[in-house]
Amino acid sequence: DIQMTQSPSSLAASVGDRVTITCRASQSISTYLNWYQQKPGKAPKLLMSAASTLQSGVPSRFRGSGSETDFTLTISSLQPEDCATYFCQQSYSTPPTFGQGTKLEIK
Amino acid sequence: EVHLVESGGGLVQPGGSLRLSCAASGFTFSMFWMHWVRQAPGKGLVWVSHISSDESDTTYADSVRGRFTISRDNAKNTLYLQMNSLRAEDTAVYYCARNWVPDSWGQGTLVTVSS
Repeated sequence: DIQMTQSPSSLAASVGDRVTITCRASQSISTYLNWYQQKPGKAPKLLMSAASTLQSGVPSRFRGSGSETDFTLTISSLQPEDCATYFCQQSYSTPPTFGQGTKLEIK
Repeated sequence: EVHLVESGGGLVQPGGSLRLSCAASGFTFSMFWMHWVRQAPGKGLVWVSHISSDESDTTYADSVRGRFTISRDNAKNTLYLQMNSLRAEDTAVYYCARNWVPDSWGQGTLVTVSS
């Protein structure tokens, strides 16, 4: 199975800050990398697919990049509604696997 | 609008069984792969199983293989997960999700395995 490792596990940032979350795959997954946002008590929401394709309705302050084993999710200007846990997921091979999550809090 | 609604969760004793359902609407259900993904309380997301659009391909996580069975009824627009020989570690919110890259998720149904 492909292991996905996110860092950091948690972070706190101020409104307006630039925030970066990283995700590393245990082997090359090309750009078969997806990002999800999950708010407490809610289902995950797909933000980004194929490493950098923004889903419809997702604000443009979210940007994804990377390929092979190293990926990043960047929020260019943090907003209060971005407080959530973010998960990466590889869809390169079965079983699809998720990172452990990054909990983002607002200072 | 895509809508997925899970049901069938609840409290069950170790060794017991449950059948989860996921009712789909707002899209052509028969054209999409479907997944079950679970999340233990306070933990991360773990993929459980998926099924192809025509039910010809089903795959399971090692932790549930031989105990859980995924199926679907395309005429009823419904996805199922039959869970047998349940263990405490199966306690989680179970989500159904649409598409190879899960792009729409239900609200989840809680399964609690406890005596």
